[in-house]
Order: sequence, then C-alpha cells, then structure tokens
Amino acid sequence: DTEVTQTPKHLVMGMTNKKSLKCEQHMGHRAMYWYKQKAKKPPELMFVYSYEKLSINESVPSRFSPECPNSSLLNLHLHALQPEDSALYLCASSPTSNTYNEQFFGPGTRLTVL
Amino acid sequence: AQSVTQLGSHVSVSEGALVLLRCNYSSSVPPYLFWYVQYPNQGLQLLLKYTSAATLVKGINGFEAEFKKSETSFHLTKPSAHMSDAAEYFCAVSAYGDSSYKLIFGSGTRLLVRP
Repeated sequence: DTEVTQTPKHLVMGMTNKKSLKCEQHMGHRAMYWYKQKAKKPPELMFVYSYEKLSINESVPSRFSPECPNSSLLNLHLHALQPEDSALYLCASSPTSNTYNEQFFGPGTRLTVL
Repeated sequence: AQSVTQLGSHVSVSEGALVLLRCNYSSSVPPYLFWYVQYPNQGLQLLLKYTSAATLVKGINGFEAEFKKSETSFHLTKPSAHMSDAAEYFCAVSAYGDSSYKLIFGSGTRLLVRP
C-alpha cells in the first residue's frame, strides 16, 4: 500500500463547530505532516510529527490541534475556526524526517468555514 | 536559509512542444531538491528528486531535471508536451527547521497546454 488517505474529502463547518480531519498511511513511515493550501498558492507547513512526537509547529493558532495516536494515523482537530481558515488541508508522510526523503501526499480535505 | 524561486507563474505551450519550467534555489549547503505536480482538486505527486547522486534526474511521465550548481538551477523539462501535463508544478527544497527537515516550496507554475 503506497498511498496516504484522508477523510473526509469535503467538510463544511460553522465557526462554533468542532470537527476532525483524519489521515492514514500504511507504508511504515515515521514522519507525518499537515499542510494548509489556499487557492493558487503553494502548501504551507503547519505541523510535523516524527516518531509520533510533535517536532515542528509553525506557529499555528490553537484552534488547530494535531494528534498522532500511532505511527499510521494523524488527526487534525478543529475548533472555533474562522472563514479565512477555509482551504485545502493536505497530509503527507515520509520514511523519516531526514532531508533526502520525499514526502507522499494525500488527496486533501477541502474545508469550508461558514 | 534555503529557498526556491520559480520564474513564471504561468507557462503556455502547444501540444508536442518542449516544456521548460524554471526553478532556482538558494542554499548554503548541498541541497536536496524536488519537483511535485498537482492536478486540480488533488494532492501533490512527486515527479523527481535530486539527492546529489546524478546531476540529470529522470522522473515520471517523461519529465527530467538537471541540477546546475554554477547556475543554482534545477529546471524541469519534457521534450513533448501532452494535454494531460496541464497542472500546477512546484519546485521544493529540503530545509532544516527546529528538530526536523521540512519542504520549502516555490510559488508554483501553472502549465497550460494548447491543442
């Protein structure tokens, strides 16, 4: 299995809702990533997990809360989001977080905040 | 700090013509460079990567890129464009931040292929 899966594909939520995005990989990768991508822009790194520990938080607002329950699964918990948080959220994984490793991306979750 | 610059936000070519997408990098250490493609409403797919083994790197779908240290460039080429190549292309460099490496992306180049 050489793919990263993300659920749901689309999500619409109000500013008071709580929701979660899920990402899964079964390639044995030990590094996982969350990115945010606005239209016509490159992906922006949000979080990096290495061996299930949070290693990078790119100063992301606390309304985004990542969780890595095990080496195959990565969640992003959302609470009290703003309309400007509407974007494509991409998950990625790599064998480790070493410099030469490419990242494998999932198809993304399209989030709309009303 | 490491960075990449993609020249040209849009490139338009005719089907069958040469594709050339430009990427220049800035790095104080030997860089690891990547090209990714993104089709509409999809995630990113790796086309190829440079990890210092060979300066000419061949990737998927007939794409290749040449690492030129003297020009700090890593341009992406394909001899003959196909309609299915129309997509957004991102050049990226691996950079160290905090306790992990991360990808720094260029601003992207949208490739349009005319029939």
